[in-house]
Amino acid sequence: DGGITQSPKYLFRKEGQNVTLSCEQNLNHDAMYWYRQDPGQGLRLIYYSQIVNDFQKGDIAEGYSVSREKKESFPLTVTSAQKNPTAFYLCATSRGFSGNTIYFGEGSWLTVV
Amino acid sequence: KQEVTQIPAALSVPEGENLVLNCSFTDSAIYNLQWFRQDPGKGLTSLLLIQSSQREQTSGRLNASLDKSSGRSTLYIAASQPGDSATYLCAVSYVEYGNKLVFGAGTILRVKS
Repeated sequence: DGGITQSPKYLFRKEGQNVTLSCEQNLNHDAMYWYRQDPGQGLRLIYYSQIVNDFQKGDIAEGYSVSREKKESFPLTVTSAQKNPTAFYLCATSRGFSGNTIYFGEGSWLTVV
Repeated sequence: KQEVTQIPAALSVPEGENLVLNCSFTDSAIYNLQWFRQDPGKGLTSLLLIQSSQREQTSGRLNASLDKSSGRSTLYIAASQPGDSATYLCAVSYVEYGNKLVFGAGTILRVKS
C-alpha cells in the first residue's frame, strides 16, 4: 500500500514539552516537506528536504527541528520554544524539487493542554 | 512578498450548477500552479498541475486555466455534485521563492442536493 503515513493523528502537548511527529513514505520520492495549517489560512512551510541528509528552513522554522537520515522518513519535532504550536501539521513529498506534483499525508492534529 | 489570493472565500451552489473558483498571484515568474482539494480534517489531494508553459489542464469535470500575464488561474467545475463539497486550495511555485509552494487560504465549496 503506497503512500505517506503520518502519526499520530492526534497529539496533546503539555507546556514545556517537546513532541515529535512522524512522516514515512514509500513512494521513493526525494523531496519531503512539513507544512502547518491554521484555521482559515493557507499552508505555511516549516522545513523541507530535497535529499537525504539535507534540509532547509521554510518560512516559519523557529521552534521546530527536523532530520532526514533516511529517504523514507522526515520527522518533525515541535520544541518548547514554539509558543503557539496548536495547529494541523501536514507532511508532503514530491519526486523531485522542481515542477513536480506534491502529495500530502493525512495530517496530524497537535493541541497544547 | 509573494502572495496567493483566492476568491470567493466560500461558495454555496445547488447541485448540477457549473462554477468557477478564482486564484490570483503577484508575480508572473512562476514554475507552476497547482489546485488541491481538502476534505475536513484531512490532507490535501492534488487535482491539477499546470506548468508555466501551459494554458490549461483538464481532468474529468475539472478544468484549470492559467494566465501568467494577468496573474490569474481559474478552476472550472462542471455539473457540480454534493461530493464536490470541500475546500479548494491554489498553490503557486514562484521562481523568486526557490520553487517552494505558496498557498492561498482556499475556497470552501458547498454543493447542495
